[in-house]
Amino acid sequence: AQSVTQPDARVTVSEGASLQLRCKYSYSGTPYLFWYVQYPRQGLQLLLKYYSGDPVVQGVNGFEAEFSKSNSSFHLRKASVHWSDSAVYFCVLSAPGTGSNRLTFGKGTKFSLIP
Amino acid sequence: DTTVKQNPRYKLARVGKPVNLICSQTMNHDTMYWYQKKPNQAPKLLLFYYDKILNREADTFEKFQSSRPNNSFCSLYIGSAGLEYSAMYLCASRINRGRSSYEQYFGPGTRLTVL
Repeated sequence: AQSVTQPDARVTVSEGASLQLRCKYSYSGTPYLFWYVQYPRQGLQLLLKYYSGDPVVQGVNGFEAEFSKSNSSFHLRKASVHWSDSAVYFCVLSAPGTGSNRLTFGKGTKFSLIP
Repeated sequence: DTTVKQNPRYKLARVGKPVNLICSQTMNHDTMYWYQKKPNQAPKLLLFYYDKILNREADTFEKFQSSRPNNSFCSLYIGSAGLEYSAMYLCASRINRGRSSYEQYFGPGTRLTVL
């Protein structure tokens, strides 16, 4: 069975600082990986996705993520954060080739800026 | 337009009373999902419809019912609400087409409070 671990429940940085949200996964094959974001009082929005190829994928609003098969990781990064980035971020895995389209979610990381 | 809509956005229910939540999408997606999300937890899949076929998760099989009268609409029904049903309910949909099969589009959620 697959799993996703987001080791940091909360991350806080100053405006303009860089951001990294960590994600580790467990899956025997090469997974499809996603980052979803949930802004306050809104549903989940797809931020970026990785299927194959270049391990660094670009998303909306300056976000990027890097897939590492050797480390079983898919960390999310942003060079300079803004107040509007405050949200809960979910790392999500899907297991291609298993016949299932189910998504496996991490518990989420709540990101906020130091006031 | 990749919009999934949910009604109502907020629902207050009494213990023991029924609850009916509505989801709609106009993307002609063949699969619609319902998740339950509680604070600081990952979304939990409750059930999904692939076309007209309902699949309910084993551990919540008897707690939730659903109907899909047409491709665009899907409801989530709780026959007798208990305090433990208080949560955010997220609806999602996807199209069964290549890699897009692994991406789900989420609605804004319905926040259910049971008193």
